[in-house]
Amino acid sequence: AQSVSQHNHHVILSEAASLELGCNYSYGGTVNLFWYVQYPGQHLQLLLKYFSGDPLVKGIKGFEAEFIKSKFSFNLRKPSVQWSDTAEYFCAVKGTGGFKTIFGAGTRLFVKA
Amino acid sequence: KAGVTQTPRYLIKTRGQQVTLSCSPISGHRSVSWYQQTPGQGLQFLFEYFSETQRNKGNFPGRFSGRQFSNSRSEMNVSTLELGDSALYLCASSFGTATNEKLFFGSGTQLSVL
Repeated sequence: AQSVSQHNHHVILSEAASLELGCNYSYGGTVNLFWYVQYPGQHLQLLLKYFSGDPLVKGIKGFEAEFIKSKFSFNLRKPSVQWSDTAEYFCAVKGTGGFKTIFGAGTRLFVKA
Repeated sequence: KAGVTQTPRYLIKTRGQQVTLSCSPISGHRSVSWYQQTPGQGLQFLFEYFSETQRNKGNFPGRFSGRQFSNSRSEMNVSTLELGDSALYLCASSFGTATNEKLFFGSGTQLSVL
C-alpha cells in the first residue's frame, strides 16, 4: 500500500534561514513524487514534481527537492526562506501504474519576519 | 479558464443526517479525486473517478460514496453522519491520462457535524 510520512508537523524559522522538510514514502514500484503548498486562504497548488530524469528538481519560488531512491525520500529544500513562505506543505506520491495520489500529513511552516 | 468549483462552501449537519457535496472540474478534465482534510491527518484519499467510473478507492467506510456524471461533474455523499466526519472535503481534477499530471484543487466544502 502507498503511504507518505512527513517528519515534522510544525516548523518555525526566521527569515533567511535554510529550510529542509523531510518526506519518506512507501510504495512497491516506480513513483511520481510531488510537493504541494497551501498558502493561508488559498487552494492547494503544486510546488514541484519528480517523474523521471534528474533526481534534483526545481520548483516555483526557489524551492527544490531531491529524490533519493535508495532512501525512498523526497525532501524539500530552500536555501533562504521568506515571510511569504509561511504555509502548509504536503508531500505526495502516485505510483506510475495508477491514478491514486496519496498525501502526507503536512508540515506547517511559520516564518518569522 | 474557470478553476475547480465546489459547492456548498460550508455545511452544518447533525448526526445521522446525510449530505451531498458537489464538484465541477476544470473544463476538459475527466478525472476527479476526493479527499478528506483534517488537522494532523493531512489529506486522506476517498476515491477517484474517471469517465463516470470509480477507478480508485481509499479506506473509508461504505457510508462514503460518490459518482461522476457524463459532463465530469462529481458528487460525494456521506450517509448517517458521525461527529468524526467533520472535516474539509477537497475535490481535485486532472486530465487523468498520465500519472505525472498534477492535481488542481478546489476551495473545499467545510462540513461540521453537530
